[in-house]
Amino acid sequence: NAGVTQTPKFRVLKTGQSMTLLCAQDMNHEYMYWYRQDPGMGLRLIHYSVGEGTTAKGEVPDGYNVSRLKKQNFLLGLESAAPSQTSVYFCASSYSKGLTNYGYTFGSGTRLTVV
Amino acid sequence: QQQVKQSPQSLIVQKGGISIINCAYENTAFDYFPWYQQFPGKGPALLIAIRPDVSEKKEGRFTISFNKSAKQFSLHIMDSQPGDSATYFCAATIAYSGAGSYQLTFGKGTKLSVIP
Repeated sequence: NAGVTQTPKFRVLKTGQSMTLLCAQDMNHEYMYWYRQDPGMGLRLIHYSVGEGTTAKGEVPDGYNVSRLKKQNFLLGLESAAPSQTSVYFCASSYSKGLTNYGYTFGSGTRLTVV
Repeated sequence: QQQVKQSPQSLIVQKGGISIINCAYENTAFDYFPWYQQFPGKGPALLIAIRPDVSEKKEGRFTISFNKSAKQFSLHIMDSQPGDSATYFCAATIAYSGAGSYQLTFGKGTKLSVIP
């Protein structure tokens, strides 16, 4: 039972390079999220998805794009990386039953350094 | 605008002591208040959660106290152990409105160190 799997675990980028972070969940969850974690800042929501083919902006979306072509996958893209995007990125997923949301589960994170 | 304020930033407690972490929120629409525990190199993991219709919830050595009128909630770790050393995040969300996905608003975290 893998839960939420993030790849890669570590990456170093040069300023201006692009990359895609992959999140995969095997729990059939409808909702998926991307957060970034910075020292002293907690976790801040970048983008989220309420279902296949739908995405929405979170608190800090600038400089990132996302896609959810399959229910189990949620991709986070950096088109032109900047040093300010150095962070640890966490993917999460959850589901709903009736009017209640459940099962918020996080992956183990991707540590990204932009030099 | 920080919707969930968490204190202290760091906490050092002797083994066997009580660790207390406090959070305050602003949005009265929040209806679910989880606490997450994060070990170095790992993702946050749900520790315990509470809804505002109860004032306290206890699971083993972990207790959440909730004060709806003051818009505050706290985590108490009884008989703290070195294995409890981790970063703790409080969070808040609207989970029961049926509005779709629920986005967690996190506090900034408290780094707990339990010394032998």
